[in-house]
Amino acid sequence: AQRVTQPEKLLSVFKGAPVELKCNYSYSGSPELFWYVQYSRQRLQLLLRHISRESIKGFTADLNKGETSFHLKKPFAQEEDSAMYYCALLYGQNFVFGPGTRLSVLP
Amino acid sequence: DAGVIQSPRHEVTEMGQEVTLRCKPISGHNSLFWYRQTMMRGLELLIYFNNNVPIDDSGMPEDRFSAKMPNASFSTLKIQPSEPRDSAVYFCASTQGGAEAFFGQGTRLTVV
Repeated sequence: AQRVTQPEKLLSVFKGAPVELKCNYSYSGSPELFWYVQYSRQRLQLLLRHISRESIKGFTADLNKGETSFHLKKPFAQEEDSAMYYCALLYGQNFVFGPGTRLSVLP
Repeated sequence: DAGVIQSPRHEVTEMGQEVTLRCKPISGHNSLFWYRQTMMRGLELLIYFNNNVPIDDSGMPEDRFSAKMPNASFSTLKIQPSEPRDSAVYFCASTQGGAEAFFGQGTRLTVV
């Protein structure tokens, strides 16, 4: 079955430190993966998708099919990065979201 | 386009009452999703429609929950009767052809 896991419910880092939010997936087909971000009391919005291979707000994510992972990384965290981050897998027309990781960037 | 529009933004109701949440997807999008978000369980898919047809409703918690999509521009999620454990933020999202999912602002439901 299609599944997305994010092992950390909460991740706290200091401003300026590197951050990595982990995401693993299980899917037998060719995956299409996304990272969504939800700032406090706002709607979820797309942060990046693996097929575009772009960097948004300094974040990057690389699809590793061997490890079935799509970890989100940023070299220097900022306080405004504090939010809830969801990894999502698209199969067919359906999105499956991971449980989310709350990132807290401390001053 | 104003994006995905949900109403109401907040709803407080008494246990046992019927609650109806509404969603207007982005024009031209052919898939619509209803999600429930809680602190304990994160983001859960309740049901999704493709071309107005329910495709997967396995996430609907129980018979108290029902969803309809009478046309391409409107969907409802109904809870009858409501219970305190239904308190959550309910999100609607729409997509076109498996591209990015656009989310509404959500409806914060409190059942007392």
